[in-house]
Amino acid sequence: DAKTTQPPSMDCAEGRAANLPCNHSTISGNEYVYWYRQIHSQGPQYIIHGLKNNETNEMASLIITEDRKSSTLILPHATLRDTAVYYCIVVGSARQLTFGSGTQLTVLP
Amino acid sequence: AGVTQSPTHLIKTRGQQVTLSCSPISGHRSVSWYQQTPGQGLQFLFEYFSETQRNKGNFPGRFSGRQFSNSRSEMNVSTLELGDSALYLCASSEGLDNEQFFGPGTRLTVL
Repeated sequence: DAKTTQPPSMDCAEGRAANLPCNHSTISGNEYVYWYRQIHSQGPQYIIHGLKNNETNEMASLIITEDRKSSTLILPHATLRDTAVYYCIVVGSARQLTFGSGTQLTVLP
Repeated sequence: AGVTQSPTHLIKTRGQQVTLSCSPISGHRSVSWYQQTPGQGLQFLFEYFSETQRNKGNFPGRFSGRQFSNSRSEMNVSTLELGDSALYLCASSEGLDNEQFFGPGTRLTVL
């Protein structure tokens, strides 16, 4: 599976949109981009995933560039409960999830 | 209801064995197990689907698992070592092509 690169930390003001970037320049055609988040010592929470089209669900939006080498997770109205480590991962047929260091998002009041 | 795991916390001593339990989301037939530690991050242990192990990670044979006909799964670690202290996570999915949903994990401490 392709490796991803994320900034180690980001801050966002409560109520504002949080935009979390991810680079996955070695992604191959049949690999999906997945986003999970993890609040300290809890199990990871699935957020969203996509192949090449932009996706939106009740939690977030996922914007994937046309060349698929990067993506952005958007939390439209961040709340304090969105403070967590966010993991961007690329998943192929192997389905063995591997989390990198992720981005620590801190939502500030 | 989401994925449930039991127990939530467990303390064992070296040499003992432990069994952890996972109940997937209703209707989900795939269960995967992961080990998460601060140093190694998230590592894949194994995946079961319809009571059959489909994939296995790079862990010693002391780590084993099984899945029952109701899709519930257990994992067993024998001859515990200090390095086995970790958060053990179970994730379920509908099938082998679907997103995985994690449980809250079992925190294992080996003394």
